[in-house]
Amino acid sequence: NAGVTQTPKFQVLKTGQSMTLQCAQDMNHEYMSWYRQDPGMGLRLIHYSVGAGITDQGEVPNGYNVSRSTTEDFPLRLLSAAPSQTSVYFCASSPDLASSYNEQFFGPGTRLTVL
Amino acid sequence: DQQVKQNSPSLSVQEGRISILNCDYTNSMFDYFLWYKKYPAEGPTFLISISSIKDKNEDGRFTVFLNKSAKHLSLHIVPSQPGDSAVYFCAASDYNAGNNRKLIWGLGTSLAVNP
Repeated sequence: NAGVTQTPKFQVLKTGQSMTLQCAQDMNHEYMSWYRQDPGMGLRLIHYSVGAGITDQGEVPNGYNVSRSTTEDFPLRLLSAAPSQTSVYFCASSPDLASSYNEQFFGPGTRLTVL
Repeated sequence: DQQVKQNSPSLSVQEGRISILNCDYTNSMFDYFLWYKKYPAEGPTFLISISSIKDKNEDGRFTVFLNKSAKHLSLHIVPSQPGDSAVYFCAASDYNAGNNRKLIWGLGTSLAVNP
């Protein structure tokens, strides 16, 4: 079991560029989510999905899109990168929504810098 | 406004001694609390949780205490080991908020256990 994997580990973008952060899990978890971690702030939820074909917004969804075409994959798209999106991004999964408020399994993170 | 506060950014203890990490919260509707541990370049990993119907939960060397009247919880690690050196996050949720339920994270406390 690889658990939750994220690619890339590091990325530098210029303002206005777009890119996709990849997230995959091999635990057959229904619930997947994206967080960002910024200095001076706790982890903040961007988007989440409770199953294939179902996504919803978290606390800070603006500037990001997600889709969930399969159980395994949950990519996060930055439509037009801005310096305010410089952050560390974590993908997480759990068996279902109910258990997401207990144990979530996190990927190693993607460190994104937007110049 | 931080609803979950970890007022000590860092803590240093000797190997074998007790580590006490503190967390305060402001939202009286929170009734489920979690601790996660994070090593550098890795995602957070779930450590231990506690429901508000309890005042203590224990798992091996890790014990979480909850004082609802003070809106305070603490994580005790006894005995501390060098491998415990990590950042510890406190998180909370309103278990009964239904669709509005979400995890609120603290900023973390960096623990260093010295040999």
